[in-house]
Amino acid sequence: KAGVTQTPRYLIKTRGQQVTLSCSPISGHRSVSWYQQTPGQGLQFLFEYFSETQRNKGNFPGRFSGRQFSNSRSEMNVSTLELGDSALYLCASSSQDLSEAFFGQGTRLTVV
Amino acid sequence: GQQVMQIPQYQHVQEGEDFTTYCNSSTTLSNIQWYKQRPGGHPVFLIQLVKSGEVKKQKRLTFQFGEAKKNSSLHITATQTTDVGTYFCAGGGNKLVFGAGTILRVKS
Repeated sequence: KAGVTQTPRYLIKTRGQQVTLSCSPISGHRSVSWYQQTPGQGLQFLFEYFSETQRNKGNFPGRFSGRQFSNSRSEMNVSTLELGDSALYLCASSSQDLSEAFFGQGTRLTVV
Repeated sequence: GQQVMQIPQYQHVQEGEDFTTYCNSSTTLSNIQWYKQRPGGHPVFLIQLVKSGEVKKQKRLTFQFGEAKKNSSLHITATQTTDVGTYFCAGGGNKLVFGAGTILRVKS
């Protein structure tokens, strides 16, 4: 069974630009969560989607948004990028509520 | 809202020494999960505990879930260099909330 796939793996953007990251969950998984990871900050929860609906949201500004498609693939978008948005963005899928989360390799975003 | 605190933030041990990381939640949890992230990698699921007072072992790793289901610990006996990485706990409430992680470094 294929794992969670995130694209792209690496990205360099300029301040003020916007970016879209993609996540394909494990087949059959309907829950997709997004996390931001920076050194010393652990895994900061961004949002969770389940069956195309945002079910939970973390404490991030409105510049961070996401969506989920009918095939459970998810995208997250960050608009008006700031230097502080540089981080590893991880996506995780799970088959049901509070079950084991399977993480993708992440997208390393660098904002210059 | 639900918060999960994890200590210590860093731990350097000599190879062969034991290591423990602790996780505390502000609310009662449905379950607790533990993940390991190797340097440059992504978090990988280790185990899930569900029952009050539950103890599970995986070789040199021992996981405990507190009686009140608000705290948990991961203990590694006789650490090896392959144990290096960041260990995260994740508490299950209305959503899965991750602790900040404990970075383990092992000196050989």
